[in-house]
Amino acid sequence: KAGVTQTPRYLIKTRGQQVTLSCSPISGHRSVSWYQQTPGQGLQFLFEYFSETQRNKGNFPGRFSGRQFSNSRSEMNVSTLELGDSALYLCASSSNTGSSYNEQFFGPGTRLTVL
Amino acid sequence: TQLLEQSPQFLSIQEGENLTVYCNSSSVFSSLQWYRQEPGEGPVLLVTVVTGGEVKKLKRLTFQFGDARKDSSLHITAAQPGDTGLYLCAVLTDSWGKLQFGAGTQVVVTP
Repeated sequence: KAGVTQTPRYLIKTRGQQVTLSCSPISGHRSVSWYQQTPGQGLQFLFEYFSETQRNKGNFPGRFSGRQFSNSRSEMNVSTLELGDSALYLCASSSNTGSSYNEQFFGPGTRLTVL
Repeated sequence: TQLLEQSPQFLSIQEGENLTVYCNSSSVFSSLQWYRQEPGEGPVLLVTVVTGGEVKKLKRLTFQFGDARKDSSLHITAAQPGDTGLYLCAVLTDSWGKLQFGAGTQVVVTP
């Protein structure tokens, strides 16, 4: 089974621009979560989608948004980029069977650098 | 205040030595997960512990969940360079898969 794929792997943008990151979950997985990882704040939850619906959102400004398509692929968008948005953005997929400890499978991440 | 406090932040040891990483909280959890993240990759789940006092072994890695389900430890016996990585503990904070992570322990094992 192919793992979670994220594109692109690396991205360089300048302040004020916007960016779209893509995530393809493991086949059959309907839940996709996004996380931001920085040296200072560690791994922080952005949002989670299931069957095209956002079910949960972390404490991030409205510049961060996402969506999920009918094939479970997901995109996240960051508008008006700031230097502090430089981070590794990780996507995780899960079958989300309702168990309290569903395993999440992470992709390799997209390294975003904002100049 | 972090929900999960990991210690130490950084650990550098020689191949063959043992090490222990801790994950502590003042909250009680129904389960706790340990991940390892290698450079350029996403975290990979190592184990989920669910019962207070539970001990799980994964080859040279031993995971323990505290009796009160507030803390956990990861012990590596005879560490090898392949054990190098960022070790993260995490808990599910809702039924929809929101994981909250500790800050992580960076482990470096040199030959």
